[in-house]
Amino acid sequence: AQKVTQAQTEISVVEKEDVTLDCVYETRDTTYYLFWYKQPPSGELVFLIRRNSFDEQNEISGRYSWNFQKSTSSFNFTITASQVVDSAVYFCALSEAGTGGYNKLIFGAGTRLAVHP
Amino acid sequence: EPEVTQTPSHQVTQMGQEVILRCVPISNHLYFYWYRQILGQKVEFLVSFYNNEISEKSEIFDDQFSVERPDGSNFTLKIRSTKLEDSAMYFCASSGPGTRVYEQYFGPGTRLTVT
Repeated sequence: AQKVTQAQTEISVVEKEDVTLDCVYETRDTTYYLFWYKQPPSGELVFLIRRNSFDEQNEISGRYSWNFQKSTSSFNFTITASQVVDSAVYFCALSEAGTGGYNKLIFGAGTRLAVHP
Repeated sequence: EPEVTQTPSHQVTQMGQEVILRCVPISNHLYFYWYRQILGQKVEFLVSFYNNEISEKSEIFDDQFSVERPDGSNFTLKIRSTKLEDSAMYFCASSGPGTRVYEQYFGPGTRLTVT
């Protein structure tokens, strides 16, 4: 069965610190997609990244980087030099590839990140 | 940049009443979804919709729920007889076409409060 685990419920850091949010997933499929979404205090869900199971290359986008390791079923997210605007709940999600695009996202419980000045 | 919109942003209703939550997906998207998030909890899948029919639904999506795409732009979620436990944030999402089919873009949500 599909499952996403975000063991860190809350993380508190001081601005400019680096922070890593952990995500561990379970799936029986060989083809699947992993995602990170950000939910700021305003409540919307903001898409950050999609990674497919065949692409283990790590990705960097500005201060954000993602480390996908199939061997440990992990897809961790690092924010470098955190800023107050990074304060939000971050969700990791999994989708198994089916016969079309209508694949549900299975979300983890989320990690609440608080960045203090 | 195109975005998913949802109305209303907040709906208050009495238990037993019917509510309709409205969504306008991104215009060239083909796949549509509803999710809900009970306050402080994870986001949960309700239903996916493609080619004018339900593709998949979760256990939460019982007979009290229905979805419809009444025209070429709107996508609605109806709850026939609301219960207190239906109070949650409801998110609409859409995806597709092409290589971005697996990227779901979410609307800002409708907060439903059942009293």
